[in-house]
Amino acid sequence: EAGVTQFPSHSVIEKGQTVTLRCDPISGHDNLYWYRRVMGKEIKFLLHFVKESKQDESGMPNNRFLAERTGGTYSTLKVQPAELEDSGVYFCASSQDRVSGRPREQFFGPGTRLTVL
Amino acid sequence: EDKVVQSPLSLVVHEGDTVTLNCSYEVTNFRSLLWYKQEKKAPTFLFMLTSSGIEKKSGRLSSILDKKELSSILNITATQTGDSAIYLCAEASNFGNEKLTFGTGTRLTIIP
Repeated sequence: EAGVTQFPSHSVIEKGQTVTLRCDPISGHDNLYWYRRVMGKEIKFLLHFVKESKQDESGMPNNRFLAERTGGTYSTLKVQPAELEDSGVYFCASSQDRVSGRPREQFFGPGTRLTVL
Repeated sequence: EDKVVQSPLSLVVHEGDTVTLNCSYEVTNFRSLLWYKQEKKAPTFLFMLTSSGIEKKSGRLSSILDKKELSSILNITATQTGDSAIYLCAEASNFGNEKLTFGTGTRLTIIP
């Protein structure tokens, strides 16, 4: 079974430019999460999709960030325009639906390292 | 705001030693606590703990949750160089989703 994949693995852009990150979850996983780790800090939640719907986007830093999951399969995270403080590693994770109310483990992708110069 | 604290931040031991990593949490509506191992790229799932006092074990790794003390430990016995990694603790609360709140991690280095 293929794991969560992310593209690209590394992106270097200049301040003011636009970048789009992609995440392909594990097949059959309805839940898709985006997280971010900025330098020296812990991994922080950005948002959660259930299929194509945004369940929780409370962690999105501001309106320069736009996440989509059309068709409930892969997801994209666009940063426009990028700022210096957006640099970090962006992780995607996916999980199956709950079973009998029990939470399910999240499986992480390798991350996209974003560097904004 | 939910908070997860891990200790120590960094640990260096010799191969064959046993280590204990600590995780404490301050959360509302606790559902589960998870441990991940991160070597170079993707955090790899290790354990999910939901019930207090029940040890989960996988080879040389084991973990247990103490809901009374709001903490968890991860034990690694007979450490090997391949155990060198960042070990992440995360808590999943119950707000209709399982968004994870992470600690900063413990960087474990095993010296041959």
